[in-house]
Amino acid sequence: EAQVTQNPRYLITVTGKKLTVTCSQNMNHEYMSWYRQDPGLGLRQIYYSMNVEVTDKGDVPEGYKVSRKEKRNFPLILESPSPNQTSLYFCASSFNFRAYEQYFGPGTRLTVT
Amino acid sequence: DAKTTQPNSMESNEEEPVHLPCNHSTISGTDYIHWYRQLPSQGPEYVIHGLTSNVNNRMASLAIAEDRKSSTLILHRATLRDAAVYYCILRGGSQGNLIFGKGTKLSVKP
Repeated sequence: EAQVTQNPRYLITVTGKKLTVTCSQNMNHEYMSWYRQDPGLGLRQIYYSMNVEVTDKGDVPEGYKVSRKEKRNFPLILESPSPNQTSLYFCASSFNFRAYEQYFGPGTRLTVT
Repeated sequence: DAKTTQPNSMESNEEEPVHLPCNHSTISGTDYIHWYRQLPSQGPEYVIHGLTSNVNNRMASLAIAEDRKSSTLILHRATLRDAAVYYCILRGGSQGNLIFGKGTKLSVKP
């Protein structure tokens, strides 16, 4: 089944403890991206990747890192999480950056205390 | 990026058609109109897109005004499963990034 998977789905952590949220797709897609969703602010893009080893900042990249060493994986790294990064995170992928349809993962709910 | 305006919420009865409006008066000639929806506790999912002509697929129809300043997503027979937030998004032909607004929350009554 074609899908985007994220792990973990739920995470509660403390300020400053490094964490990684994994994202994987099995559709051989070139384009991948990360969004965060907050009440009243909607979905905002954090980082995106046009292909392996090519990443770029989205609208809200501060406090996040990403890497794209393999085509299928696009992990989101929070080196020193803070409470303002408490949010619902979605990974998405598409055939390439021009593709009409983007596929979203199920989301990761992160709480930083 | 050109902006879209959608009603905050709409209600529909099950098995009746639903027309979800979107205004985009500053749309440029190369902007595609995309619709995504987000079911409760899920990630967004693609619904349909179009440029100038009306479009149909298995999920919905998209009616685009002749001047392209507005469009309407049509669900022909709403089901309870169609209760979601529907996002109307303008996207330039060369851009990968989706810019989500607040969308329209659709409630479907049995």
